[in-house]
Amino acid sequence: AQSVTQLGSHVSVSEGALVLLRCNYSSSVPPYLFWYVQYPNQGLQLLLKYTSAATLVKGINDFEAEFKKSETSFHLTKPSAHMSDAAEYFCAVSDQGSGNTGKLIFGQGTTLQVKP
Amino acid sequence: DTAVSQTPKYLVTQMGNDKSIKCEQNLGHDTMYWYKQDSKKFLKIMFSYNNKELIINETVPNRFSPKSPDKAHLNLHINSLELGDSAVYFCASSLKGGNEQFFGPGTRLTVL
Repeated sequence: AQSVTQLGSHVSVSEGALVLLRCNYSSSVPPYLFWYVQYPNQGLQLLLKYTSAATLVKGINDFEAEFKKSETSFHLTKPSAHMSDAAEYFCAVSDQGSGNTGKLIFGQGTTLQVKP
Repeated sequence: DTAVSQTPKYLVTQMGNDKSIKCEQNLGHDTMYWYKQDSKKFLKIMFSYNNKELIINETVPNRFSPKSPDKAHLNLHINSLELGDSAVYFCASSLKGGNEQFFGPGTRLTVL
């Protein structure tokens, strides 16, 4: 079975500060890992994904995440927060391979607040 | 061009009614999904279809019945709506294999 835990349901940073959103996963098979962002009253948009290639993954809007197998983590970072980054962020895990269902198991989400 | 579209965006209805939500994708994907986001923003898979075949059914009450007329469409019909069905329902699509899923804008269902 797969699961995802996002540490911290609410993170607040100042504009220009480092953003760090934490995600730990559990998976019995090598996982695919994703970060999605949800702006208010909108659908989910993919920020970045890990699919067993490079462990440091770069995404849109200067976000990046590092897959650490030994720590079962996939934390999301951004060097400098912008006001427009305020949103809900979801980490998700999926089983991989064409023989699997591909369903996403989501963490509970982290609300990012950016203060001026 | 909208990649994954859902109609309606908002749906307000009374308990006991039957309603449908429609989803269409123009990405050429062969797999489509329905997710439910509750009031605490928790997202959970409900169903998935691959080439019109049901491949995921996550212990959802049988009042919920997905229908896939073709691989570009996945509709969700809900019978005898209950207060607890109030949520945002997201449709998503992908190529088979569990890689990137593209999400629709969501349908906010309110049951009164």
